[in-house]
Amino acid sequence: QLQLQESGPGLVKPSETLSLTCTVSGGSISSSSYYWGWIRQPPGKGLEWIGSIYYSGSTYYNPSLKSRVTISVDTSKNQFSLKLSSVTAADTAVYYCAIHLITIFGVVIIRSYFDYWGQGTLVTVSS
Amino acid sequence: QSVLTQPPSVSAAPGQKVTISCSGSSSNIGNNYVSWYQQLPGTAPKLLIYENNKRPSGIPDRFSGSKSGTSATLGITGLQTGDEADYYCGTWDSSLSAGHVFGTGTKVTVL
Repeated sequence: QLQLQESGPGLVKPSETLSLTCTVSGGSISSSSYYWGWIRQPPGKGLEWIGSIYYSGSTYYNPSLKSRVTISVDTSKNQFSLKLSSVTAADTAVYYCAIHLITIFGVVIIRSYFDYWGQGTLVTVSS
Repeated sequence: QSVLTQPPSVSAAPGQKVTISCSGSSSNIGNNYVSWYQQLPGTAPKLLIYENNKRPSGIPDRFSGSKSGTSATLGITGLQTGDEADYYCGTWDSSLSAGHVFGTGTKVTVL
């Protein structure tokens, strides 16, 4: 069974770049079946999708975060990573990585859901 | 601000049934499959329902999903204390701001 584990600094200073890595075990990140996604949840609030990547490097990003987000994949390490630049206190959240199932019909996505999730890691933005 | 609206909370006694609504539009629920997630306190969300009404392996049939037009519903029968959690709907939004969207979340309380 696939397992995902987030890792990275728990404290980031305002204006700096948040960097997290998700390590996939129990299967290959190069599977043609999955995208790999990042979701975050500010304390006491709801879920927000950040973006997702295919093993080939193809990405989808949340339009509201797109200007600050970069998601990359390292198939040799079975990992994918998130970088969020110019962070503020509003970026304080638990960050989850997850398997993202996407079905594309023509050029339209008709199915999108998150299967297995990592346990999450809290990132606090503070000086 | 989420484009999928859920009631903030629902409650019922053990053994009873609750339903949670998820209201969207033609750019999301109206033309895409809906999924549902359960988030127990202090844990990561878990997939409950995908493709509107399918349950992953290990999810009991007390949980059910349905969709009609631009709304979806999660039903929980035989409510148990262990069902006390936050529940989120989700789908892809194909509008100009395309991407996966989650509902506002609903807290289920077992009385």
